[in-house]
Amino acid sequence: AQSVTQPDIHITVSEGASLELRCNYSYGATPYLFWYVQSPGQGLQLLLKYFSGDTLVQGIKGFEAEFKRSQSSFNLRKPSVHWSDAAEYFCAVGDYKLSFGAGTTVTVRA
Amino acid sequence: DSGVTQTPKHLITATGQRVTLRCSPRSGDLSVYWYQQSLDQGLQFLIQYYNGEERAKGNILERFSAQQFPDLHSELNLSSLELGDSALYFCASSAPRSSTGELFFGEGSRLTVL
Repeated sequence: AQSVTQPDIHITVSEGASLELRCNYSYGATPYLFWYVQSPGQGLQLLLKYFSGDTLVQGIKGFEAEFKRSQSSFNLRKPSVHWSDAAEYFCAVGDYKLSFGAGTTVTVRA
Repeated sequence: DSGVTQTPKHLITATGQRVTLRCSPRSGDLSVYWYQQSLDQGLQFLIQYYNGEERAKGNILERFSAQQFPDLHSELNLSSLELGDSALYFCASSAPRSSTGELFFGEGSRLTVL
């Protein structure tokens, strides 16, 4: 069975500071991994994805994520957070049937 | 704008009633997925259709049903509604040859059951 754990429910970060969101997955084969972002009242937008190859993937809005098979992790990072990054972030695993984590809410303080 | 359109955006109804949620996928996408997002269950996969046929089923209740029409739009029917069915229902679509989970989500239909 596939599953995703996002250990942090809520993270508060100062504008300009770095951000790292944790994601651990369980999957029977080589995983397809995704990070989505949901702004208030909006649908989910794909930030980045990992299928194979380079374990450091770049996404939109300055985000990147690193796949670590040995740790079953796919953590999301951003070097310098902007106030507009305040949102809920979801890690997901799967192929056509995605399993999502519970999400991490990011608050950005001025 | 993902290109996926969902209607209605908001819906308030009473227990025991039936509602229909509608989704139009992105132009050219053949697959449609339905997800339910609730506070206690998070994002749950309900069902997937591909070119009019059911492809995969998730945690969809028997009171719920879906279909995809020849023009590729999809409807999710929720009947005998209960308070616990209150949630945000998302539709998503994917590219025709994609089997790798890259989904494009609509903005959702928020259902409130009173």
